This record gives sequence, structure tokens and C-alpha cells, in this order.
Amino acid sequence: EVQLVASGGGLVQPGGSLRLSCAASGFTFGSYWMTWVRQAPGKGLEWVANIKEDGSEKYYVDSVKGRFIISRDNAKKSLYLQMDSLRAEDTAVYYCARSRASLITWGQGTKVTVSS
Amino acid sequence: DIVMTQTPLSSPVTLGQPASISCRSSQSLVHSDGNTYLSWLQQRPGQPPRLLIYQISNRFSGVPDRFNGSGAGTDFTLKISRVEGEDVGVYYCMQATQLPYTFGQGTKLEIK
Repeated sequence: EVQLVASGGGLVQPGGSLRLSCAASGFTFGSYWMTWVRQAPGKGLEWVANIKEDGSEKYYVDSVKGRFIISRDNAKKSLYLQMDSLRAEDTAVYYCARSRASLITWGQGTKVTVSS
Repeated sequence: DIVMTQTPLSSPVTLGQPASISCRSSQSLVHSDGNTYLSWLQQRPGQPPRLLIYQISNRFSGVPDRFNGSGAGTDFTLKISRVEGEDVGVYYCMQATQLPYTFGQGTKLEIK
């Protein structure tokens, strides 16, 4: 069974940092682009970042450039999102998803709350 | 950035009746490789999103054939031929032709 399990969310103060992880199973992780998408409370979906199969290409939405870093470890079948200088507007459920243009599998999400 | 505009934002539908959602992009979604990267996703209450349709009209594995996508260029439509109770949720279109990828605002499908 194809599965993505996101973890690492929590409550953090403005200006703080968090590292999200996404553990993959049931497919050849190293053969797929991977993506992070977020959803603020009661709002729609926002694409955040994606990373190529070998990690050689990474792309970000402007609002997180310079603050977030997407990475992956194919040996561990894991995707990461290092989030620094967090702001209140980063509060959201963060989903990891498989692939690039067509997001074919989604994890259940991990909740990030930025608040003092 | 490409802006995706969905209409309607809310759609009350009678069970067994059809439903239609429109999605319009601010620029053509035809990629330089000739493909159009427009997909439709469903998000049931309390669940992560799920891919329904990719590249305008291709139904993803396991998606019932009552879901159909169509369109070209900047205008796209998702049609549900006969709405069932399990179809309740929010539907999003998404473009992956140009970075940053963007979603429509979402259309809430509810039963009358």
C-alpha cells in the first residue's frame, strides 16, 4: 500500500523553527518528485515547494523563499521541510504529496501553529 | 503567478442529479511540451485531498466514471454525472504548467 506519513508539526513562536518529515512506503521513493502543500485553517490549498527525484532541483512559492528548505533522503525514503523564521501566516496543515504536476498520493498532514 | 478562478464557490445538488464546476486560468495552461497540466482534486471533510483528474480529462486510478473533466487553454470543467452522498466535499482545480503551481479557491459541493 502506498503511504505517506507526515510528522514534526507543533506549536512554535514567531521567529522559531520546525522541521517536518514525511515517511514514504509502498513505492519507489527515489523515482518521484515530491511536493509540500499547505492549508491554512478554513482556507484552500497552497503549493509550497517541490523537489526533483535526485534532489538536484528545488522550487518554492515566493512567500517561503529564503526561509524554508525542502530536502530528501532517498535511502531513508523520507522528505523534509526545514522551516525557519516562522510567521503567523505559516500556520497551516502541511501535506506531503507524491509527484509533481499530478499529485497522486497525499499524506494525512501535520499541523503547524505559529503563535506566541 | 497564474490565478485560478473557480465557479461556483458553493454548489447545492440533489442526489442523483448532475453537478458542474468551472475553472478558469489567467493564462493558457498549455505547457511548452504540449501538455496541459490541469488537474482536479477532491477533499472530503476531515480528509487530505485526493487526485480525481489529471491533464484535463484523465481519470486517476479508482476514480468512478461519473467524474469527467474537459476543457482547453484557459477554460476547464469538472462534471459529475450523478451526485452521490460520498461526493460531498470541496473540489479544487490545480495548474502545474507554470511555477509556482496554483490552486483554485475551491468549490464546496453539498447535498440539498
